[in-house]
Amino acid sequence: AQTIHQWPVAEIKAVGSPLSLGCTIKGKSSPNLYWYWQATGGTLQQLFYSITVGQVESVVQLNLSASRPKDDQFILSTEKLLLSHSGFYLCAWSLGGGGAETLYFGSGTRLTVL
Amino acid sequence: GEQVEQLPSILRVQERSSASINCTYENSASNYFPWYKQEPGENPKLIIDIRSNMERKQIQGLIVLLDKKAKRFSLHITDTQPADSAMYFCAASADTGGADRLTFGKGTQLIIQP
Repeated sequence: AQTIHQWPVAEIKAVGSPLSLGCTIKGKSSPNLYWYWQATGGTLQQLFYSITVGQVESVVQLNLSASRPKDDQFILSTEKLLLSHSGFYLCAWSLGGGGAETLYFGSGTRLTVL
Repeated sequence: GEQVEQLPSILRVQERSSASINCTYENSASNYFPWYKQEPGENPKLIIDIRSNMERKQIQGLIVLLDKKAKRFSLHITDTQPADSAMYFCAASADTGGADRLTFGKGTQLIIQP
């Protein structure tokens, strides 16, 4: 069975400080990987997606970047946090192949920027 | 891209009655329509989905209907229970030949009243 692990569970960071969030998928080779962001009480906004190692596409510009250094790993980062970065960050995966497929979400990282 | 409208934003129903949530989409190429349930502090979890080759799907007390002509789909929860109280998101996606570009609605807060 596939498992998705996100870290850390929660972060409290200062404005202007750097950030790195991680996600690992086990049990599935070459998945499509995604980062989503959710403001408190808000909808799910896709930030980045990756269909293969080393390749990441940006969906919205939020002064964040993402990388996929390994087939099973997806990293979200920024060098300088803004207040507007606060929210719930969710990593997700889907089967590769091109067809519209179900997204499975990790447990998320709650980020508070002060 | 796709736009998904979801109504209502808040829905209060009596326990054991039915609840209905409606969504519309714009892209006629969208062919996959999942519904996610999100409890406070948790990640969204898939509860039911439907593809464009179907008009109706039922899993126990959950029914989804799809009207492709009207570009409308809906979730119906029969015999609601307190455990059904949560945020519900509809989403739409089209085959892209690559990553899944799932677009979410703004969510419906379902409150089951005793």
